[in-house]
Amino acid sequence: NAGVMQNPRHLVRRRGQEARLRCSPMKGHSHVYWYRQLPEEGLKFMVYLQKENIIDESGMPKERFSAEFPKEGPSILRIQQVVRGDSAAYFCASSPPGLAGSYEQYFGPGTRLTVT
Amino acid sequence: KNQVEQSPQSLIILEGKNCTLQCNYTVSPFSNLRWYKQDTGRGPVSLTIMTFSENTKSNGRYTATLDADTKQSSLHITASQLSDSASYICVVTLNSGNTPLVFGKGTRLSVIA
Repeated sequence: NAGVMQNPRHLVRRRGQEARLRCSPMKGHSHVYWYRQLPEEGLKFMVYLQKENIIDESGMPKERFSAEFPKEGPSILRIQQVVRGDSAAYFCASSPPGLAGSYEQYFGPGTRLTVT
Repeated sequence: KNQVEQSPQSLIILEGKNCTLQCNYTVSPFSNLRWYKQDTGRGPVSLTIMTFSENTKSNGRYTATLDADTKQSSLHITASQLSDSASYICVVTLNSGNTPLVFGKGTRLSVIA
């Protein structure tokens, strides 16, 4: 059973470009979470999704950021018109269906976004 | 405000020695507390998860304790190995159907020969 997969592992974008980060959850997991980790900082929750639904996006900036988890395919975190402050590691985690807070979250290896 | 504070920020110990990492939280309502290990450049990996009623939980050389009254947790590492060098992150879950988890900034542990 493959773990949580994220791609790309490293992404370089110029200011103003778009960044698309992909996350494939573990087999059988229907809950996906996105986190951001700035250098020397702890992980910060961004958004929690189930298939075709955004459950909690309270940690995601209102502008330029969006996330989706379609019925088929990976979850996508999209950042439009990137700025230098978006440079960070973005982690995806997944958990099985059920009460989200009760289950273990399994993390992917992360995507390191660098904005030049 | 829901917060998780960890100490020390960083720690250097000799291989074979024991160490204890601390976590204080103000998260309410509380559901569970988790300790994760994060190697450099990797995603966090779960070590332990404890609910409100659990006081201690072990995973090999890692032992976590929880005092829900004082809102404190510790992670004790016994007979440290070079491979224990990593960040150790304390994470508290709100008692609600939707997360989020509240993360501490982590303790950066370096084990040297």
